[in-house]
Amino acid sequence: KAGVTQTPRYLIKTRGQQVTLSCSPISGHRSVSWYQQTPGQGLQFLFEYFSETQRNKGNFPGRFSGRQFSNSRSEMNVSTLELGDSALYLCASSPGGNEKLFFGSGTQLSVL
Amino acid sequence: TQLLEQSPQFLSIQEGENLTVYCNSSSVFSSLQWYRQEPGEGPVLLVTVVTGGEVKKLKRLTFQFGDARKDSSLHITAAQPGDTGLYLCAGVDNAGNMLTFGGGTRLMVKP
Repeated sequence: KAGVTQTPRYLIKTRGQQVTLSCSPISGHRSVSWYQQTPGQGLQFLFEYFSETQRNKGNFPGRFSGRQFSNSRSEMNVSTLELGDSALYLCASSPGGNEKLFFGSGTQLSVL
Repeated sequence: TQLLEQSPQFLSIQEGENLTVYCNSSSVFSSLQWYRQEPGEGPVLLVTVVTGGEVKKLKRLTFQFGDARKDSSLHITAAQPGDTGLYLCAGVDNAGNMLTFGGGTRLMVKP
């Protein structure tokens, strides 16, 4: 069974640009969650999607948005990038909720 | 907001030593998960503890959930270099909606 796939693996952007990250969950998993990981703040929850609906949302500004498609694949978008958005963005999938998360390898975003 | 504090933040030990990592909160969690993350990879789930006072063993790793379901510990016996990594605890709130991660313990086991 293929694991969670995140693309791209690395991304370099400049301030003010926008970026879209992609996540393909494990086949059959309907829940996809996104996390931001930085050395200073650790792993912080962005949002969770289940069956194309945002089910939970963390405490991030509206510049961070996401969506989920009918095949459970998910995308995350960050607009008007700031230097502080530099981080490892992790996607995790699960069959239905928080009982067991399977993480992808992440997208390392650098904002210059 | 539920917070999870992990201690120590960093730990560097020699192969063969024992160690304990702690995960504490003032909030009650319905369950608590432990993950290990290696450089360049996402976290991998090691164990989930659900019942207060529960103890689970995974080879040389022993996980305990506090009686009040507010804290947990991870004990590693005879650590090996392959145990090196970032250990994260994560608590699920009572509604089962939110998973909150601790700040992590970065463990280095030197041969």
